[in-house]
Amino acid sequence: DTEVTQTPKHLVMGMTNKKSLKCEQHMGHRAMYWYKQKAKKPPELMFVYSYEKLSINESVPSRFSPECPNSSLLNLHLHALQPEDSALYLCASSLTGGPQHFGDGTRLSIL
Amino acid sequence: AQRVTQPEKLLSVFKGAPVELKCNYSYSGSPELFWYVQYSRQRLQLLLRHISRESIKGFTADLNKGETSFHLKKPFAQEEDSAMYYCALSPPLSGGYNKLIFGAGTRLAVHP
Repeated sequence: DTEVTQTPKHLVMGMTNKKSLKCEQHMGHRAMYWYKQKAKKPPELMFVYSYEKLSINESVPSRFSPECPNSSLLNLHLHALQPEDSALYLCASSLTGGPQHFGDGTRLSIL
Repeated sequence: AQRVTQPEKLLSVFKGAPVELKCNYSYSGSPELFWYVQYSRQRLQLLLRHISRESIKGFTADLNKGETSFHLKKPFAQEEDSAMYYCALSPPLSGGYNKLIFGAGTRLAVHP
């Protein structure tokens, strides 16, 4: 398996909802990443996990809560999001410092 | 400051014409440089990295440390090359991960 799989593909939620995004890879990569991408803009790094430990938090608001339960799985828990959080959320993984492999993303809309 | 600059938002060429997508970076050290491509409705994927010195889909990129540039070139553009191209920099980090800093991207449109 040489892919990063993200679910769901689309998510619509209200500002008071709690939801989670899921990312999975079975390539043996030990670094996993969350990015936010707005339309016609480059991806912006949010979080980096290395060996299941949070290594980078790019000053992301606490309404986004990452979790790495094991080396293959990365979650992003969402709570009380704002309309400006509507975006494509990308997950990526890499073999330690190697090139990153991206998933298709979850397109999130906040009502 | 660490920065990647892609000066052209859109590059429009005809099929068979040469293509050069410009990328300049700002970093006081020896970063790793990448080109990523995003075709319509497809995931972001790695096209080239400077340390491999490969040619992928006819594209090449040479790192010029003096000019701090990593321009992407192809001698004869094809319609299927139409996509968004991102240049990215990764500073050398320990800790078993890297940190990609992306340029704003250049949309390449190849016309028949």
